[in-house]
Amino acid sequence: GAGVSQSPSNKVTEKGKDVELRCDPISGHTALYWYRQSLGQGLEFLIYFQGNSAPDKSGLPSDRFSAERTGGSVSTLTIQRTQQEDSAVYLCASSLQGTGLGFFGQGTRLTVV
Amino acid sequence: QKEVEQNSGPLSVPEGAIASLNCTYSDRGSQSFFWYRQYSGKSPELIMFIYSNGDKEDGRFTAQLNKASQYVSLLIRDSQPSDSATYLCAVNLAGYSSASKIIFGSGTRLSIRP
Repeated sequence: GAGVSQSPSNKVTEKGKDVELRCDPISGHTALYWYRQSLGQGLEFLIYFQGNSAPDKSGLPSDRFSAERTGGSVSTLTIQRTQQEDSAVYLCASSLQGTGLGFFGQGTRLTVV
Repeated sequence: QKEVEQNSGPLSVPEGAIASLNCTYSDRGSQSFFWYRQYSGKSPELIMFIYSNGDKEDGRFTAQLNKASQYVSLLIRDSQPSDSATYLCAVNLAGYSSASKIIFGSGTRLSIRP
């Protein structure tokens, strides 16, 4: 596609349920980032993938959070046993290798009730 | 100390004036610096990047970098109401390639008053 695509755009889930958020990066972009943005706050780094290298998971807030990237393209961020504090907009960005110039998707707004 | 710090604002600037946005970072080895603009309810959009000390100009935007002072700024000349947004400073962390771990500040809210 022309840009980074994220789905779903909105997700309401009950506390304790698992959710999966999807990111489809720009074709040819080897770097993929996940960030979280709470209301009125900046972007919190979660995880970074670069090609076939091991991902940098240093920003994942707890072991309830995990992410994978299949075939160097689509990525899925999974949150298990969701909590109300997980409510935020989850943003995905991709970039060409070596540039760090990230193009963001439209985000997934997650609400845990 | 936060890795990337910005004044949250709001910064109010009259239309046509110069808006000056500032950012400091803690990691002395950082090599790449980015400015993103984020309109309310939208995703961040990259507007400037700078790698070397000094100034970089692109249209009405100028990015300024001073690595010795660990300081990066964004100047917006001839400010327009459409420039009203939150501006996010982003920095890569030392020890990584320029394509890796990019850390964002909390953003400065800019308001251009007609």
